[in-house]
Amino acid sequence: LAKTTQPISMDSYEGQEVNITCSHNNIATNDYITWYQQFPSQGPRFIIQGYKTKVTNEVASLFIPADRKSSTLSLPRVSLSDTAVYYCLVGDRSGGGADGLTFGKGTHLIIQP
Amino acid sequence: EAGVTQFPSHSVIEKGQTVTLRCDPISGHDNLYWYRRVMGKEIKFLLHFVKESKQDESGMPNNRFLAERTGGTYSTLKVQPAELEDSGVYFCASSPPPPFGLGEQFFGPGTRLTVL
Repeated sequence: LAKTTQPISMDSYEGQEVNITCSHNNIATNDYITWYQQFPSQGPRFIIQGYKTKVTNEVASLFIPADRKSSTLSLPRVSLSDTAVYYCLVGDRSGGGADGLTFGKGTHLIIQP
Repeated sequence: EAGVTQFPSHSVIEKGQTVTLRCDPISGHDNLYWYRRVMGKEIKFLLHFVKESKQDESGMPNNRFLAERTGGTYSTLKVQPAELEDSGVYFCASSPPPPFGLGEQFFGPGTRLTVL
C-alpha cells in the first residue's frame, strides 16, 4: 500500500481557499487517490476521488500532477463548519474499490472567523 | 434514505465482560466493513463482508473478536472477553457492489467502547 504524508494541522480563515497537499511517492499504477473528511464524533465522509489531472465536485477540487506522486485537495471559500480532519488515502480500485481503507493520521484543519 | 447506523453509540464495560456491537448498513449495500480507532492511533481496518461472507479479516486483532453477518444484512462484532486495550471507537461502513459508486464507503457514527 502506498504510504501517504500530510500536514498534521492547518489553520485558515473563513472565506479563504484552503489547499491541503498529500505526498504519495510510491503510488502504484492501479491506485486512486481519495479524500475523506471527519467531524468529531462522526464517521469519515467521502469527499472526492481521482486518478489524474483535476477532478471537481460541488464540495472540492482535487489536483493531481502528471507524476501522481502528490495530490492537492482544494476547498473553496471555507467556513467554520469545514473545521475537521481530512484524510488522504491511496488504494487500488481495480477490484471495484471494495477493499478495506487505509487511513493515515490526517490533517486537522481549523477554520477561524 | 437512512445512512449506516450503529448501536450502541457508547458502551462502558469492565475488563473480562462481553460486548456486542451492531451495524446496520445502507439497504442494498453488499459490502460491510468494520474499522476501529484506539486512543491516539489511526483508524484501522478490521474486516470486510461481502453479503454474509467474510472477504477479508486480516485486520482482526485476535480471536477475542468475532464478527458475523447472518443473512447478509446487519452485522455484529462481539468482543469476548474485553480487555483494556480494546477501548476505542468502532466504525462500520458499507458500500454498494461494483460497478456502482466510486468505491466510496459510507461510514456510520461509530460506537465508543470504554473498557474499565
